[in-house]
Amino acid sequence: ETGVTQSPTHLIKTRGQQVTLRCSSQSGHNTVSWYQQALGQGPQFIFQYYREEENGRGNFPPRFSGLQFPNYSSELNVNALELDDSALYLCASSLASGGGDTQYFGPGTRLTVL
Amino acid sequence: RKEVEQDPGPFNVPEGATVAFNCTYSNSASQSFFWYRQDCRKEPKLLMSVYSSGNEDGRFTAQLNRASQYISLLIRDSKLSDSATYLCVVKGPAGRRALTFGSGTRLQVQP
Repeated sequence: ETGVTQSPTHLIKTRGQQVTLRCSSQSGHNTVSWYQQALGQGPQFIFQYYREEENGRGNFPPRFSGLQFPNYSSELNVNALELDDSALYLCASSLASGGGDTQYFGPGTRLTVL
Repeated sequence: RKEVEQDPGPFNVPEGATVAFNCTYSNSASQSFFWYRQDCRKEPKLLMSVYSSGNEDGRFTAQLNRASQYISLLIRDSKLSDSATYLCVVKGPAGRRALTFGSGTRLQVQP
């Protein structure tokens, strides 16, 4: 196991609602990245947090926002949910360094928007 | 055009077969390359990094051709447990910390 945990495992929401997903990074890792994986697709990068600051963002609208806490855990918030937000949300933790920072994924949160 | 392209499969092969997956990427400034494995409804797990010199890990061999922007994965002596989706992953250029994933190639190894 990677030591990356996510909660909740499953979630059902309705259009227009807001949701918060949580991620605890692997011990010693200071970087958390969030990805959205739609059915039949590869994960798509949402954003990354490094030492509590956003450190890169993919092609997602501002209603996708996040936080990183001093213990390096992280939250993903999505406002005004749309049907297309239904997906598996993955967080990955890594130790940012000058070289290759391998990302280790948590088990994901499966979000269904009705 | 997608940044990372893979044949979606599925590849249906018998146990013991050798199977090869290919992947192309569009950004010539990409710096790091990986294969991840994803089981049904699970998270992706790093299978191996891919180096220009080629690298091997047991039954798995990965190759990178930077000139052609092409990555491959060869699985020898397929096992039932190799059944999964294999994701080709690219990182970079420098300063870009996101991993860019292909859509994955599904492998089904049959008894």
